Amino acid sequence: RKEVEQDPGPFNVPEGATVAFNCTYSNSASQSFFWYRQDCRKEPKLLMSVYSSGNEDGRFTAQLNRASQYISLLIRDSKLSDSATYLCVVNRGAGGSYIPTFGRGTSLIVHP
Amino acid sequence: NAGVTQTPKFQVLKTGQSMTLQCAQDMNHNSMYWYRQDPGMGLRLIYYSASEGTTDKGEVPNGYNVSRLNKREFSLRLESAAPSQTSVYFCASSLTGGRDTIYFGEGSWLTVV
Repeated sequence: RKEVEQDPGPFNVPEGATVAFNCTYSNSASQSFFWYRQDCRKEPKLLMSVYSSGNEDGRFTAQLNRASQYISLLIRDSKLSDSATYLCVVNRGAGGSYIPTFGRGTSLIVHP
Repeated sequence: NAGVTQTPKFQVLKTGQSMTLQCAQDMNHNSMYWYRQDPGMGLRLIYYSASEGTTDKGEVPNGYNVSRLNKREFSLRLESAAPSQTSVYFCASSLTGGRDTIYFGEGSWLTVV
């Protein structure tokens, strides 16, 4: 089983829709979690960190469920500009350092 | 405001040739990483350097070597390129790992023929 798993999609939604992605991780010792966004042929960029109590940044809400070992990203009122691949990142500790492990990404297409 | 700079951006190699991908960051970060990204496979860690003077293998290290030349620079070397190493390579850095944001270079598109 891959350490970090995501549904690759694509999720094809109309503008204004609400869409949610999940990401599961296998290592219960994982310590920090993030969502990154990657546009076509570009480098990934941080979208938001994921905190234990859940957190919101405008139209984006991230949740962590440690018991079930998954994180989620909810996007409300989707915009055309939200079309991108969303990467889940899980950091696990290893000998005093942290190793960021990426999921394969979930593709989102927002259409008019 | 350069951030993470990697070179070259595009390269075509013949099987068996060697080359080095260069990466430098100007954010005084301690941790640096090399990833490769292939269609359907996501980003896979090749090597990382938690701090100056240390390097460790990631998920897919075979066929690669790295050098953490100093705090700023982390290079990736392909000693004898193979077609399976055709990929997009991303260098990245973070302050210390953990909860720190990872910043990426713009990527290097490598084709091995």
